[in-house]
Amino acid sequence: DGGITQSPKYLFRKEGQNVTLSCEQNLNHDAMYWYRQDPGQGLRLIYYSQIVNDFQKGDIAEGYSVSREKKESFPLTVTSAQKNPTAFYLCASRRISGAETQYFGPGTRLLVL
Amino acid sequence: KNEVEQSPQNLTAQEGEFITINCSYSVGISALHWLQQHPGGGIVSLFMLSSGKKKHGRLIATINIQEKHSSLHITASHPRDSAVYICAVGSYNNNDMRFGAGTRLTVKP
Repeated sequence: DGGITQSPKYLFRKEGQNVTLSCEQNLNHDAMYWYRQDPGQGLRLIYYSQIVNDFQKGDIAEGYSVSREKKESFPLTVTSAQKNPTAFYLCASRRISGAETQYFGPGTRLLVL
Repeated sequence: KNEVEQSPQNLTAQEGEFITINCSYSVGISALHWLQQHPGGGIVSLFMLSSGKKKHGRLIATINIQEKHSSLHITASHPRDSAVYICAVGSYNNNDMRFGAGTRLTVKP
């Protein structure tokens, strides 16, 4: 089945540790996105990529890094510089041509110990 | 003030009731999206609209571009409709989407 997968579903991080969240899509979508969701707030854009080997910062990129080495994959690294990383992280993708909607993955909940 | 405001924040209804969730936005847009987020966290796109009205099953979405306002209606609500409903607005390329904080709907049997 076509779709977006994120792993793991739950992730625990120790203080000062980098962690990487996986996002894979087999929809042949060009663009991929990472969002952060906090209670009572709307989703906020961390990074997005419209093409392999290129990505752009969103509204809250500080403390995060991404790579786009393959069209299907857009991993997000939460670095130790991100002081408040506990949140729900959602990956999305879409076709660039036309006004297509974004398709979302199931999300990863990150908790700092 | 947020660029996308939803009301109400929380909504509890009895099964069978007609439900309305409202969304107001303050930026120029090319499309408005209604999304559904279930307790597990995954998000599903319900509607994308730029004018008028769309209907899918028991769900109806309307938009008034002049008033910068959209509504999501659920007819004959059911407990399985319980979820968070999110309004989002985007520019033509949808790279710069702005999201409302969501409306948590609980439908009781």
